[in-house]
Amino acid sequence: DAGVTQSPTHLIKTRGQQVTLRCSPKSGHDTVSWYQQALGQGPQFIFQYYEEEERQRGNFPDRFSGHQYPNYSSELNVNALLLGDSALYLCASSSTPGAPEQYFGPGTRLTVT
Amino acid sequence: SQKIEQNSEALNIQEGKTATLTCNYTNYSPAYLQWYRQDPGRGPVFLLLIRENEKEKRKERLKVTFDTTLKQSLFHITASQPADSATYLCALPFTGGGNKLTFGTGTQLKVEL
Repeated sequence: DAGVTQSPTHLIKTRGQQVTLRCSPKSGHDTVSWYQQALGQGPQFIFQYYEEEERQRGNFPDRFSGHQYPNYSSELNVNALLLGDSALYLCASSSTPGAPEQYFGPGTRLTVT
Repeated sequence: SQKIEQNSEALNIQEGKTATLTCNYTNYSPAYLQWYRQDPGRGPVFLLLIRENEKEKRKERLKVTFDTTLKQSLFHITASQPADSATYLCALPFTGGGNKLTFGTGTQLKVEL
């Protein structure tokens, strides 16, 4: 049973560029949440997708957007990259939007230079 | 606003001893609290969930307590092993429903031989 997978593993981008990160949820899960984790900090909630719609959003600017596909996989897009966007981006899946247990993927390490 | 505090100083203990980590929170009455383990460069791994009406929960060598009056959770690892060395994160669900989480900054545990 495959867990949560994310791609790519690492990514280096230049300020001002755009990036797309991808996530496939755990089998049987239909809800995907995205988190940003800066070095030495705990993960911060970006947004959650369910039934192909953004359901909840954290305190992140509109430069952060996402998408969920019919197969429940999801993308996180970040436009106009800033140096401060350098972080580990984590995807978490759950069986429903309210299910307490969430399973995290290995993350994508984004470095903005 | 909701705030979670974990001891930011690393905890070093000897193999075989019990490690105790603390999570304090303010401005919050969570329905449950979670503990995660995170290894460097990897995503958090779910360990235990304890609900507001539970005082204590155990899983193998792990024990979690939840005091809603003190607004505190303690996380214990008994008979600690070097393989337990990692960062441990405390997480609470946002108010307003759903399973989006607020995380503490984590406590790094190092178990020495």
